[in-house]
Amino acid sequence: DSGVTQTPKHLITATGQRVTLRCSPRSGDLSVYWYQQSLDQGLQFLIQYYNGEERAKGNILERFSAQQFPDLHSELNLSSLELGDSALYFCASSEGTSEETQYFGPGTRLLVL
Amino acid sequence: QKEVEQDPGPLSVPEGAIVSLNCTYSNSAFQYFMWYRQYSRKGPELLMYTYSSGNKEDGRFTAQVDKSSKYISLFIRDSQPSDSATYLCAMSARNYGQNFVFGPGTRLSVLP
Repeated sequence: DSGVTQTPKHLITATGQRVTLRCSPRSGDLSVYWYQQSLDQGLQFLIQYYNGEERAKGNILERFSAQQFPDLHSELNLSSLELGDSALYFCASSEGTSEETQYFGPGTRLLVL
Repeated sequence: QKEVEQDPGPLSVPEGAIVSLNCTYSNSAFQYFMWYRQYSRKGPELLMYTYSSGNKEDGRFTAQVDKSSKYISLFIRDSQPSDSATYLCAMSARNYGQNFVFGPGTRLSVLP
């Protein structure tokens, strides 16, 4: 158990819908990272927050957004969902801004029908 | 050419074998090199973390980095069926996410 929690574990929705994925980092970790993992694309970095502020952006679509709240939990919002958004979404956290030692949560499996 | 390349496998070995997993990369700015293990339907788990060139050992695992060749390796000694997983290399230039990349992963099966 990494100490990072994610909810929900599974999510099934329809195209065009909007969903919110939630992540709670390890106690004491200030950075949160979001990743998308699909079979054909591997693990893709989406976005990083550090202590409530956006720190880095990766391959995140405009239909996706995220935020980190004062209690350091984070939410990833996915809107106008498409079939191709079906994937595993992982959250990871690290103590500071250094991205080398990230601890991953169990993931949310999203299926868009 | 992808920024980080990794043989996807699957790689099947008998229990007790020495396993060698490798990644090559093209970006000479990478300074930090990590290996993650991912069991099916689980989140990646950090195994090893090294800075710059050299070796690092942790139990049955040894990580090697050769920056001159842009090549990193993970060796697993006395492999066990519980080592069966996908192994992902990751690299960072510590440029705050702009240059943090995972390899596609190698699937390893250790047969009893």
